[in-house]
Amino acid sequence: KAGVTQTPRYLIKTRGQQVTLSCSPISGHRSVSWYQQTPGQGLQFLFEYFSETQRNKGNFPGRFSGRQFSNSRSEMNVSTLELGDSALYLCASIPGGVMNTEAFFGQGTRLTVV
Amino acid sequence: GNSVTQMEGPVTLSEEAFLTINCTYTATGYPSLFWYVQYPGEGLQLLLKATKADDKGSNKGFEATYRKETTSFHLEKGSVQVSDSAVYFCALTSWNTGNQFYFGTGTSLTVIP
Repeated sequence: KAGVTQTPRYLIKTRGQQVTLSCSPISGHRSVSWYQQTPGQGLQFLFEYFSETQRNKGNFPGRFSGRQFSNSRSEMNVSTLELGDSALYLCASIPGGVMNTEAFFGQGTRLTVV
Repeated sequence: GNSVTQMEGPVTLSEEAFLTINCTYTATGYPSLFWYVQYPGEGLQLLLKATKADDKGSNKGFEATYRKETTSFHLEKGSVQVSDSAVYFCALTSWNTGNQFYFGTGTSLTVIP
């Protein structure tokens, strides 16, 4: 069974630009969550999508947005990039039908804003 | 609310030493508890989990017991190896948080030969 695939693995962008990251969850998983990981703030929850609907959202500005497609693949977008957006962005795949179950993570996309 | 407090690192141990990484939690619901491990340049991998009080999760020689009375989920291993060097995260999710996970700050472990 294929794991969680995140693309691209690395990105370098300039301040003010926008970026789109992609996540393909494990086949059959309907829930996709996104996390930002930085040395200073640790792992912070961005949002969760389930069956193409945003079900939960963390405390991030509106520049951070996402969506989920009918095949459960998800994208997140960050507009008007700031230096502080440099981070490892992790996608988590969960079956979706059961609460309190483990999340499966992708390898992440390392975003560097210069 | 929900939160996880994890022992600060970094931790440096000699091979075959005993490992303990402390983790305590606060939760408003009935949480499941997890330990994840992150190797350099990688995402998070599930190490072990426990879904109810007194459950013991175990994997690859690591163990942790869900202690409701002390709200703790400490990670232990009797004899660490160089290959165990990584960052370890304690985490919880709960029925009232959807699929949102709450993570500790992570503990970096280095095992020296």
